[in-house]
Amino acid sequence: GAGVSQSPRYKVAKRGQDVALRCDPISGHVSLFWYQQALGQGPEFLTYFQNEAQLDKSGLPSDRFFAERPEGSVSTLKIQRTQQEDSAVYLCASSLWMGARANEKLFFGSGTQLSVL
Amino acid sequence: KQEVTQIPAALSVPEGENLVLNCSFTDSAIYNLQWFRQDPGKGLTSLLLIQSSQREQTSGRLNASLDKSSGRSTLYIAASQPGDSATYLCAVLPTDSWGKLQFGAGTQVVVTP
Repeated sequence: GAGVSQSPRYKVAKRGQDVALRCDPISGHVSLFWYQQALGQGPEFLTYFQNEAQLDKSGLPSDRFFAERPEGSVSTLKIQRTQQEDSAVYLCASSLWMGARANEKLFFGSGTQLSVL
Repeated sequence: KQEVTQIPAALSVPEGENLVLNCSFTDSAIYNLQWFRQDPGKGLTSLLLIQSSQREQTSGRLNASLDKSSGRSTLYIAASQPGDSATYLCAVLPTDSWGKLQFGAGTQVVVTP
């Protein structure tokens, strides 16, 4: 596709509900990242995929958070038993290669705004 | 741990003035530094990327400098316009990471007509 696409744009969940957030990266991009952005803050890294392999999940805040990218393209971030502190914007980004070269850009989607009531 | 700080947190200028946004980081072991723009309710748009071996990058009215040894970057926006109103974020890519950008909290800019 032309850019990184995320859905839904907005999600309201009741506390304790499970949610699934979807990311469609730019076609052909090897690397995919999830970030969490709290209100008034910069994005914080959650997890990183290289093709279908999850190489780094050190930023996931708890075991309620789970991400997958089974076929190396679309990714889903799942949050189980949502809590109010999970309310944030979840951003997905992709890059052509490994995201670790000096001249390599990350391309971000518009994000999913999650509100947990 | 790498820390990225942006000062000021908010800035309001009249149209036509030049904007100066500051970013500082604590660890110079970086691949690059990037400046992003974020509009309300939107994702991040990459403005400029400065590789660690470079001193500056320019795009139109935007110019960004990088002094890696002192851990500083400055984004200049010349002749500001109301359409420049947005939040500007800087981020560094540490050399010990895979695309794990470390962001500052951003500078919220308002350009008044």
